[in-house]
Amino acid sequence: NAGVMQNPRHLVRRRGQEARLRCSPMKGHSHVYWYRQLPEEGLKFMVYLQKENIIDESGMPKERFSAEFPKEGPSILRIQQVVRGDSAAYFCASSPRAGGSETQYFGPGTRLLVL
Amino acid sequence: GENVEQHPSTLSVQEGDSAVIKCTYSDSASNYFPWYKQELGKRPQLIIDIRSNVGEKKDQRIAVTLNKTAKHFSLHITETQPEDSAVYFCAASGVRTGANNLFFGTGTRLTVIP
Repeated sequence: NAGVMQNPRHLVRRRGQEARLRCSPMKGHSHVYWYRQLPEEGLKFMVYLQKENIIDESGMPKERFSAEFPKEGPSILRIQQVVRGDSAAYFCASSPRAGGSETQYFGPGTRLLVL
Repeated sequence: GENVEQHPSTLSVQEGDSAVIKCTYSDSASNYFPWYKQELGKRPQLIIDIRSNVGEKKDQRIAVTLNKTAKHFSLHITETQPEDSAVYFCAASGVRTGANNLFFGTGTRLTVIP
């Protein structure tokens, strides 16, 4: 059973470009979470999605950031017009069910560097 | 929202000694408390978790205790080994509108000295 997959693993963008990060949850998991980790810091929740629905986006900046989880295909976190402060590791996690005590399994992360 | 504090930020122990990391949380509705281990450049890996219906859980050299009244939980690693060196994060679940996003502590960098 393959774990959570993310690609690309590393992404370099110049200021003003767009970044697209992809996450394929574990087989059988329909709940996806995105977290951001700045260097030497903990993980910060960004957004929680189920198939075709955004359930909670309270941690995601209102501008330039968007997320989707279509019926078919991976979840995508999109950052438009990137700035240097967007440089971070972006992790997604998945769980088989919703609920306050469901285990989340993390992907390997995408390390975004904005030049 | 939930606020999770973690101490200490760094911890060095001699191989074979025990290590204890402590976390507090603010939302009394939180009911799930996982611990993740993250090695440099790697993904966070779940090492143990506890739910609010139990006070203690053990898995070989790792144990977690939970005090819901005081809103704190701790990770205990006994007989530490050099491969235990990593950053450890505690987390608490935010019980809100059916979501279960995790709120993480700021991490503890554990170094086990051979």
